[in-house]
This record gives sequence, structure tokens and C-alpha cells, in this order.
Amino acid sequence: AQRVTQPEKLLSVFKGAPVELKCNYSYSGSPELFWYVQYSRQRLQLLLRHISRESIKGFTADLNKGETSFHLKKPFAQEEDSAMYYCALRDGGGSNYKLTFGKGTLLTVNP
Amino acid sequence: EAGVTQFPSHSVIEKGQTVTLRCDPISGHDNLYWYRRVMGKEIKFLLHFVKESKQDESGMPNNRFLAERTGGTYSTLKVQPAELEDSGVYFCASSQDLFYNEQFFGPGTRLTVL
Repeated sequence: AQRVTQPEKLLSVFKGAPVELKCNYSYSGSPELFWYVQYSRQRLQLLLRHISRESIKGFTADLNKGETSFHLKKPFAQEEDSAMYYCALRDGGGSNYKLTFGKGTLLTVNP
Repeated sequence: EAGVTQFPSHSVIEKGQTVTLRCDPISGHDNLYWYRRVMGKEIKFLLHFVKESKQDESGMPNNRFLAERTGGTYSTLKVQPAELEDSGVYFCASSQDLFYNEQFFGPGTRLTVL
């Protein structure tokens, strides 16, 4: 069974500080990992996915298969980064397209 | 473009009543997904349509839930009869293709069963 764990329910940092949101997964196959974000009063939207290897809004995430992790990082947090962040996984083999989500981490960036 | 739309945004019903949620995917998106988040739990997959066919309904909790997508356009999710544990936020998402599979989410329907 596939499982995504986000150990921190809440994370609070000051503006300009580095931020790391943790995500660990359990999956026997070849996973594809995503980070979704939900800003206040907005819908859930894709932030980044590991196969794209992009940096979006200054965020990056590296898939570490040895540690089964996909932590989200940003060197200098901004107030507008305050949001709910969800790590998600799907079968990278292409036979099953459902997303499995973690419980989410609420990030608050204080001025 | 409006994106994925869901109706209603909120629904409050009593235990034993019936509720129907509607999702309109982005035009041209063959793939439509339903997810649900109950209080304190993670967002969980319910089912996946490809056009009008159910591709995967492994997440449907029980036979009180019925999803349809007639004509391969909008989808409905009916809960009959509703129970207290059905309360939560129901999300719909759509994607254009399966390989890239960026799923675009709707705003959700908050269902409260009293």
C-alpha cells in the first residue's frame, strides 16, 4: 500500500528564514511525487513534481529514494508562502493515476 | 477559463437524507477524479473516470455512494442515505491526459451531515 507521511502538522518561521517541509513515503513500486499547495480561500494547486526538477516560487524538492523522502525547501521564506502544503504520491508506472496525499503541513511565515 | 467548478459550495443535511454533488471539469479533460477529506484525516481518493467509464472506484467507501458521468462531461456524486461520518470536503479534479497527469482541483464542496 502506498502511504505519505508529513510529520509536521504546523510549521512557523520568520520571513527570510529557510524553510523545510518534510515528506516521507512508502511505496514498493516506482513513485512519482508531487507537492500541492492551498493558499487561504483558494483551491488546491500543483506546486511542483519531482520529474520536472523545476524550482517554483523559489521552492525545490529532491526525491531521495534511499531515504524515501521528498522534502520541500526554500532558502528564504516570504509571508506570501503561508499556506497549507500537501505532499502526494502516485504510481509512476502509469497503471494507476490516483494521488495519495499526506495530511498536510500548515506553514505560517511571520513578518 | 473557469477551471474545475463544483456545486454546491456548502451543503448541510440531516442524517438519512440524500445529497448530490456536482463537478464540471475543465473542458476537454477526459479524466475526472473525486477525492474526500474528512476532519483530521488526509485527502483520500474516491474514484476516477475516463470519459464516462469508471477507471478505478477502489476508494468508494460503501454502496451509499454513487458516482456518474453521463456523456463524459460533468459528474455527480450522490450519497444516499447520508451518515454522520460522511461529513467532510469533497474535491473534484480533472486532467487532460494520463501521462503528464497534472490534476486541476475544484474548490470543493463542504458537506455537513447533522
